[in-house]
Amino acid sequence: DGGITQSPKYLFRKEGQNVTLSCEQNLNHDAMYWYRQDPGQGLRLIYYSQIVNDFQKGDIAEGYSVSREKKESFPLTVTSAQKNPTAFYLCASSMYRSSYEQYFGPGTRLTVT
Amino acid sequence: DAKTTQPPSMDCAEGRAANLPCNHSTISGNEYVYWYRQIHSQGPQYIIHGLKNNETNEMASLIITEDRKSSTLILPHATLRDTAVYYCIVRFDSGNTPLVFGKGTRLSVIA
Repeated sequence: DGGITQSPKYLFRKEGQNVTLSCEQNLNHDAMYWYRQDPGQGLRLIYYSQIVNDFQKGDIAEGYSVSREKKESFPLTVTSAQKNPTAFYLCASSMYRSSYEQYFGPGTRLTVT
Repeated sequence: DAKTTQPPSMDCAEGRAANLPCNHSTISGNEYVYWYRQIHSQGPQYIIHGLKNNETNEMASLIITEDRKSSTLILPHATLRDTAVYYCIVRFDSGNTPLVFGKGTRLSVIA
C-alpha cells in the first residue's frame, strides 16, 4: 500500500541530545513537509522540500535541521538548540503542481525530559 | 495566504447534518478554500476543496458564498467517527506552497 511512514510512533530523549525523526513515502511525491503540533494548537510548518537536494525554512525552523538526499525520504533532526522540543511531529507529502491534497503520516510524539 | 476564522467547537447529533462555518473575508480571487480534518492523535486528512462553485464528494459538500467571503462544510449524516478537529484553509493553488493551519473547529458528534 502507498503511504507515508513515520517512525517511531513514540520517542523519548534526554535534554541536550539531538534526535532524528524518520519520514519515508512511496507515493512518488515530489514535495515533503514537516509540521509540529502542540496540545490544543494547529500545525506549524518547520521545513519543506519541493525537490531533492533543496529545502526551505518554514515558520519555526530554529533548532531543527533537515536533508533531502532521496525523493522518498525527508528526515528531521531536532537539535539541542530547540528550546521546547516536546511535541507531536507530522510529516506530509504532495505531488508537484497538483498539490491540493497533502498526505500526512501518522506522526511521531517526541518527549524530551 | 488569507486568514480564516472558525468557531472553536461545535456539537452535532449522530445522523444529523453537521454544518461547519468558516469566514475568510480577505480571500483573493485566485485563492482556494480547503478543508482538512484531524482525528485525535492522527495526521490530518484532506476532505474537499473549491474555488467558486459548490463542491461535493463522497465525504462532504462545500458551499462557498457568492462573494467568497465565507464557506460551509457539510457532513450530511454525521457519525461518531466524524468527531475530529476540522481545519478551513485558504491558499493559492500554485505549486507546492505549504498549508497554513489555524486552530480549527472541534466537532463532537453525540450519540
